[in-house]
Amino acid sequence: GAVVSQHPSWVICKSGTSVKIECRSLDFQATTMFWYRQFPKQSLMLMATSNEGSKATYEQGVEKDKFLINHASLTLSTLTVTSAHPEDSSFYICSARVDRGRSSNQPQHFGDGTRLSIL
Amino acid sequence: AQSVAQPEDQVNVAEGNPLTVKCTYSVSGNPYLFWYVQYPNRGLQFLLKYITGDNLVKGSYGFEAEFNKSQTSFHLKKPSALVSDSALYFCAVRVPNTGGFKTIFGAGTRLFVKA
Repeated sequence: GAVVSQHPSWVICKSGTSVKIECRSLDFQATTMFWYRQFPKQSLMLMATSNEGSKATYEQGVEKDKFLINHASLTLSTLTVTSAHPEDSSFYICSARVDRGRSSNQPQHFGDGTRLSIL
Repeated sequence: AQSVAQPEDQVNVAEGNPLTVKCTYSVSGNPYLFWYVQYPNRGLQFLLKYITGDNLVKGSYGFEAEFNKSQTSFHLKKPSALVSDSALYFCAVRVPNTGGFKTIFGAGTRLFVKA
């Protein structure tokens, strides 16, 4: 159980285009979804946290207008990289979690990630 | 500043030997602690978590971790390593943040298990 599907797994596109990445919780309803960016040989950086039906909370230093996050339903969140440039090339990972009541100590379940390459 | 440290970039272990991947943290309050594993070109997988209770936590794939409050550590251990355990391991701490909680990841430790 607790499967998170991320699509696409790999995308290559031209500089200036916008790219949308989908994150779906397949067998559970995700109250909270997270988007991470992983740089080569570096650790994970949390980009934003989103709750279904509300605006995402972005981490300090993450451009809201560049990385658009939508969490329209309990099973789907999307990350759109707008006007992508080569420096946006990275591995993007989403995760989803069910928050039970006031408890937020449930583990996060991760997608397999999306490797984005901007030419 | 709140932080998580994985002091070893790489750990080499022979198959069958015990392994330890270290994690220490510096946060305020009582943190929630997690270990995740990442196989090549894949997303993360949850291994185990400590919230409260018994300091020794057992998780997936035979891994366990011990919460040591006085040393602010949460080292990951396995009694007998397998070649298939070779992967990148991340320690994470969940702490209160403005308006909610925040998860802080360590830099990761790459585990190599040799046959």
